[in-house]
Amino acid sequence: KAGVTQTPRYLIKTRGQQVTLSCSPISGHRSVSWYQQTPGQGLQFLFEYFSETQRNKGNFPGRFSGRQFSNSRSEMNVSTLELGDSALYLCASSLSGGGPHYNEQFFGPGTRLTVL
Amino acid sequence: QKEVEQDPGPLSVPEGAIVSLNCTYSNSAFQYFMWYRQYSRKGPELLMYTYSSGNKEDGRFTAQVDKSSKYISLFIRDSQPSDSATYLCAMSGSGNQFYFGTGTSLTVIP
Repeated sequence: KAGVTQTPRYLIKTRGQQVTLSCSPISGHRSVSWYQQTPGQGLQFLFEYFSETQRNKGNFPGRFSGRQFSNSRSEMNVSTLELGDSALYLCASSLSGGGPHYNEQFFGPGTRLTVL
Repeated sequence: QKEVEQDPGPLSVPEGAIVSLNCTYSNSAFQYFMWYRQYSRKGPELLMYTYSSGNKEDGRFTAQVDKSSKYISLFIRDSQPSDSATYLCAMSGSGNQFYFGTGTSLTVIP
């Protein structure tokens, strides 16, 4: 079974631009979560989508948004980029439908975003 | 106070040593506990998944959960240089929002 895939793997943008990151979950997984990872803050939860609806949201400004499509693929958008947005953005998928392992999360390789 | 506290290390041990990694948490609603391993410039890889209290063993890895003390541990027996990575603990309640520790950096010296 293919794992979680994320595109692009690397991205360089300048302040003020916007960026869209993509995540394809493991086949059959309906929940997709997004995280920001930085050396100082560790893994911080951005939001979670399930069946095309945002189910949970972390404490990030409105510049960070996402969506999920009917095939469970998800995109994350960051508008008006700031230098502090430079980070590894990770996507994780889980079954989330019940059962003992319903919320085991599997991560993709991440997209490394650099904002200049 | 952070939801999850994890000693960042770094931890350096000789090959073959037993490694003990720990996390504490404050939210008594947490009931799912996970350990991830993350190699440099890669995404986290799920190592162990435990529900509620108790022990779980998988090869050289043992996960322990003590809900009464709000304390979880990961033990690595016969540590290998390939175990050198950052180890992240994670936990969640009945929802699907996860809380992560900041990670412990481990180096196993040949």
